[in-house]
Amino acid sequence: QVQLQESGPGLVKPSGTLSLTCAVSGDSITSGTWWSWVRQPPGKGLEWIGEVYHIGTTNYNPSLKSRVTISVDTSKNHFSLRLTSVTAADTAFYYCARGPSVDIGLYGLDVWGQGTTVTVSS
Amino acid sequence: EIVLTQSPGTLSLSPGERATLSCRASQSVSSSYLAWYQQKPGQAPRLLIYDASNRATGIPDRFSGSGSGTDFTLTISRLEPEDFAVYYCQQFASSPLTFGGGTKVEI
Repeated sequence: QVQLQESGPGLVKPSGTLSLTCAVSGDSITSGTWWSWVRQPPGKGLEWIGEVYHIGTTNYNPSLKSRVTISVDTSKNHFSLRLTSVTAADTAFYYCARGPSVDIGLYGLDVWGQGTTVTVSS
Repeated sequence: EIVLTQSPGTLSLSPGERATLSCRASQSVSSSYLAWYQQKPGQAPRLLIYDASNRATGIPDRFSGSGSGTDFTLTISRLEPEDFAVYYCQQFASSPLTFGGGTKVEI
């Protein structure tokens, strides 16, 4: 079955850069779907960060747009998140997810990674 | 940006009862590009409903979604003990793909 697995440092210093990777197994990252990042601060709701298509097209949340980059590596079947100039407000659980799959009309995030916690602290 | 408002914030019910959750959009969600998720403590969200009314793979038929335009509803016909969780809606009509603030269904 399709599985997503996030990886990356769990602790980032203020003003530093958060970098996470999502490894995709059981599906090709070049299939007709977008690949998304979502975060959740402790005890709060979900926030969409952005998405990438395998040809490199991206969409970002305007609230983060100046600091975020999402990229895809088709040779490794993974996609990545980079968030610069982090502050304590970026402390959250970060999830990668598959979707939306526009080629089949599935407008939802149907497969999620287990998530990884990132703390911004000196 | 489309703002999604979920109500109520908390729903206190008993197993076997019917749950009705609301998600209202600040502007029309075209083509019913709306999804519902369930999240339990310590777990990733799970897709329940996509395109407003289609159940995702493996989702029991006690979960149903309806609505169009700006008003959407998730209904759980008879609550099972494992259904007590937080539920979120998300729209895909326009970027940014916003989430609602969530409804907690508790005993």
